[in-house]
Amino acid sequence: GENVEQHPSTLSVQEGDSAVIKCTYSDSASNYFPWYKQELGKRPQLIIDIRSNVGEKKDQRIAVTLNKTAKHFSLHITETQPEDSAVYFCAASIYSGSRLTFGEGTQLTVNP
Amino acid sequence: GAVVSQHPSRVICKSGTSVKIECRSLDFQATTMFWYRQFPKQSLMLMATSNEGSKATYEQGVEKDKFLINHASLTLSTLTVTSAHPEDSSFYICSAGNGGLGANVLTFGAGSRLTVL
Repeated sequence: GENVEQHPSTLSVQEGDSAVIKCTYSDSASNYFPWYKQELGKRPQLIIDIRSNVGEKKDQRIAVTLNKTAKHFSLHITETQPEDSAVYFCAASIYSGSRLTFGEGTQLTVNP
Repeated sequence: GAVVSQHPSRVICKSGTSVKIECRSLDFQATTMFWYRQFPKQSLMLMATSNEGSKATYEQGVEKDKFLINHASLTLSTLTVTSAHPEDSSFYICSAGNGGLGANVLTFGAGSRLTVL
C-alpha cells in the first residue's frame, strides 16, 4: 500500500519568512496530492491540492510543487503570519475522492 | 460547498459500553465515506471505508467486530465502537466525497472525541 513520509515534524519560522514542508510517497499509482491544515481539536481543512498532470500550483501565499518522477511534493508558504501556525498534513491518493494516506504531520509555528 | 456533519463532537463513556458516532453528508450524496482515527499528536489513520449498501472495507489491524460500520443510506454512515476500552480513546473523523468527476474532493466532519473511562 501507499506510504507517505513528511518532514520536518516541527518547523519554527519568524513572521514574514517562508516555510517549506516536504513529502515523499511510494505508490506510483497515486495521482492526487492534497495538503491539509489542522488546528488543535479541529477537523483538517484542505488548503491546496495538486494532481499528477500538473507540476506546480499556486494560491496566493501557498504553493505546491510535484515531482512525479522522484515521487515527492512540497508545500511552500510565503510571507508567513502567526495565524498560519497549525499542523500541516500532506496526503496521497489514487484519485480525488478516494482513500487518503496521510503523512505524519508538521507542526508549524510562526513567531511574531 | 459540501458539508459533512458529525456527532457527537464529544462523548465520555464507561469501559465496556458501546458508542455510536454518526456522519452525515448534508448537501450531497456520498456512496463512500471514510473513517479515520487520530491519537494525540499523531496523524490520521484510515480505519475503514464505508460503502453504501454493502459491507465496509477495514484496514489491516482494525477489528471489524469492534468497530461496526453501517452505511444504510447515501447520506449517513455510522461507526459504533463496541465494548469500548480506555485505549479506544481517540479523535474519530469521517470524510466523504462531494461527487463530480474531476471535482470529487473529500470533506471532513468535525470529529468526535471519545474518552473511555
